[in-house]
Amino acid sequence: EAGVAQSPRYKIIEKRQSVAFWCNPISGHATLYWYQQILGQGPKLLIQFQNNGVVDDSQLPKDRFSAERLKGVDSTLKIQPAKLEDSAVYLCASSLVGSNYGYTFGSGTRLTVV
Amino acid sequence: AQSVTQLGSHVSVSEGALVLLRCNYSSSVPPYLFWYVQYPNQGLQLLLKYTTGATLVKGINGFEAEFKKSETSFHLTKPSAHMSDAAEYFCAVSEGTSGSRLTFGEGTQLTVNP
Repeated sequence: EAGVAQSPRYKIIEKRQSVAFWCNPISGHATLYWYQQILGQGPKLLIQFQNNGVVDDSQLPKDRFSAERLKGVDSTLKIQPAKLEDSAVYLCASSLVGSNYGYTFGSGTRLTVV
Repeated sequence: AQSVTQLGSHVSVSEGALVLLRCNYSSSVPPYLFWYVQYPNQGLQLLLKYTTGATLVKGINGFEAEFKKSETSFHLTKPSAHMSDAAEYFCAVSEGTSGSRLTFGEGTQLTVNP
């Protein structure tokens, strides 16, 4: 089966600019997650979708981050405006039902804010 | 609330030696436990998982882990290290059947010396 697709792989922007990341999960996976992985740290959940509804966005900095999953398939994560501390790898993952079966992760988007 | 502690941010072993990566967790409900591996510039790949049943879990690439409830541990082992095992390893916990998010540890970088 095809994996979780993410684009772009790399992005460099200046602070205060905006940026968007795209994720296409494995077909049939109802649950989609966005994680932020800062260099040297473990991934931290930003937002979890079940189909096209938000299940958990308690860790999402809503003043600058937004995410949507239209039609319950692919998803976009946006940052506006970006700060230096947003430099990280943004990982998308999907699973059949919740986390019980383990996620499948995409390769991530490495964001550098200068 | 759930949390994961990985003891040792860096572990170095010789090729052919035993690999032991330590993970302790905290969870208010029976946990589901996972180990993921991350190679440079790639996403996370599931090595193995414990949900219910047998406490000794075997995964891919010769790795295994044992769930010890009394010690709240889920250490990862491999009898004989291979050069290709060099990577970063993450332990993660979810709150069982609720299907909630995965909480990751900070990771352990494994180096394999020839």
